[in-house]
Amino acid sequence: AQSVTQLGSHVSVSEGALVLLRCNYSSSVPPYLFWYVQYPNQGLQLLLKYTSAATLVKGINGFEAEFKKSETSFHLTKPSAHMSDAAEYFCAVSGGSGGSNYKLTFGKGTLLTVNP
Amino acid sequence: DAGITQSPRHKVTETGTPVTLRCHQTENHRYMYWYRQDPGHGLRLIHYSYGVKDTDKGEVSDGYSVSRSKTEDFLLTLESATSSQTSVYFCATKDTSSGNTIYFGEGSWLTVV
Repeated sequence: AQSVTQLGSHVSVSEGALVLLRCNYSSSVPPYLFWYVQYPNQGLQLLLKYTSAATLVKGINGFEAEFKKSETSFHLTKPSAHMSDAAEYFCAVSGGSGGSNYKLTFGKGTLLTVNP
Repeated sequence: DAGITQSPRHKVTETGTPVTLRCHQTENHRYMYWYRQDPGHGLRLIHYSYGVKDTDKGEVSDGYSVSRSKTEDFLLTLESATSSQTSVYFCATKDTSSGNTIYFGEGSWLTVV
């Protein structure tokens, strides 16, 4: 079984401030972890992924995430928010090599607002 | 970008009518998925396919059926649409050659009135 919890359905930051979006997961097998971004009325775009290589993963648009097995976390960060980062962000987990490998389980999403 | 095309992109239909959504991919990916997205629920898996004619249920499969007669096409059918099936539907495929990354189509907005 696998699940994802995103802490905070809505996060608001000022332009230039640190962005921190929290994600905790549970998985009965070594996980693959993903962050997706969704802009209004669009599909989901992959930001970054962890697939058991380096624990600090860099993605597009200046985002990065760190896999912490001891904390079962995969938080998304960006040092300086830009207005164009305003969107909804989804954390997702997939079983890397076990029986739940076939599917991706999503968190409920975090809406990021960036204030000027 | 995994070359995923969904059709129709927008549809309004009446309660009780059948509806079919089509997903077409050009990457020859074995795995394909249908998700629905609703406010407060994130994305929930409806059905998935792990090959031609091989499909299985996801967590919210009631009222939906799927078919996959060719690698590139995955159809989602609402046998008798209900208002609770008003949602945004996303098709996805999995690239098993790149860390099992799942790529999404642009979505199909379905309104059942």
